[in-house]
Amino acid sequence: SAVISQKPSRDICQRGTSLTIQCQVDSQVTMMFWYRQQPGQSLTLIATANQGSEATYESGFVIDKFPISRPNLTFSTLTVSNMSPEDSSIYLCSALAAGTDTQYFGPGTRLTVL
Amino acid sequence: KQEVTQIPAALSVPEGENLVLNCSFTDSAIYNLQWFRQDPGKGLTSLLLIQSSQREQTSGRLNASLDKSSGRSTLYIAASQPGDSATYLCAVMTTDSWGKFQFGAGTQVVVTP
Repeated sequence: SAVISQKPSRDICQRGTSLTIQCQVDSQVTMMFWYRQQPGQSLTLIATANQGSEATYESGFVIDKFPISRPNLTFSTLTVSNMSPEDSSIYLCSALAAGTDTQYFGPGTRLTVL
Repeated sequence: KQEVTQIPAALSVPEGENLVLNCSFTDSAIYNLQWFRQDPGKGLTSLLLIQSSQREQTSGRLNASLDKSSGRSTLYIAASQPGDSATYLCAVMTTDSWGKFQFGAGTQVVVTP
C-alpha cells in the first residue's frame, strides 16, 4: 500500500492570492493525480501529474489556474492561482501504487477563499 | 463519457442491519471499479477493488459485486455498526482512461445505535 501526506491540511486565503499544496507519497507510484471536491459534491479530476513534464489537464481546468509540478516519482505540487471564493474546495492528491491498480488518496487540503 | 450514479443518496439504518449500496455506470468498457469510504472532512479510504474480470470481492464484513453487462456494482456491508457511518463512493476506471477515475456522487450512510 501507499501512504500519502498533504500539506497544508487546511488554509484560509484572501481573494486574488495563490496557494501551493504539496503531496508526498511514501513509496513508488506509477501515476499521480489531483482531484477537487467542491462542497457537497463528489470528486472531479483536475489533472494527471506527469514526472518531469507538463501535467495533463481535464476539460475545464487550465495550467494558468492550476499549475502542477512533479519533479520526482513520489512528490507533486498543485498551485491554485488568483483564487476566488469559487475555488473553496477540498483538494486531494492520489496515486496508483506501482504493481497494483489500487488508487490511494491523501487526506486532502481544505481551502477556504474569502 | 462515463457516468456513474449512486443510489440512494442517503441511507439511515439501525445497528445490526445489513447495508446495500448501489452503483451504476453507463460505459461497460471498464478496467476496474473501486469502492471508497470518506469520513467528514477527511480523505478517501480504499475499501475494495474489483477488476473487470472479477464478479466479486470480499473483505471482512464487506462484499462488492460487479455485473459489467448491466453496468452495476453493489456494496454489501453485513451487520452494520455505528462506526460504518460515512459517505461511500464508487469510482470507475474505463479502458480508454487508464488510471483516471470517474466518481459517483456517493451514498451518505448513518448507522444508529
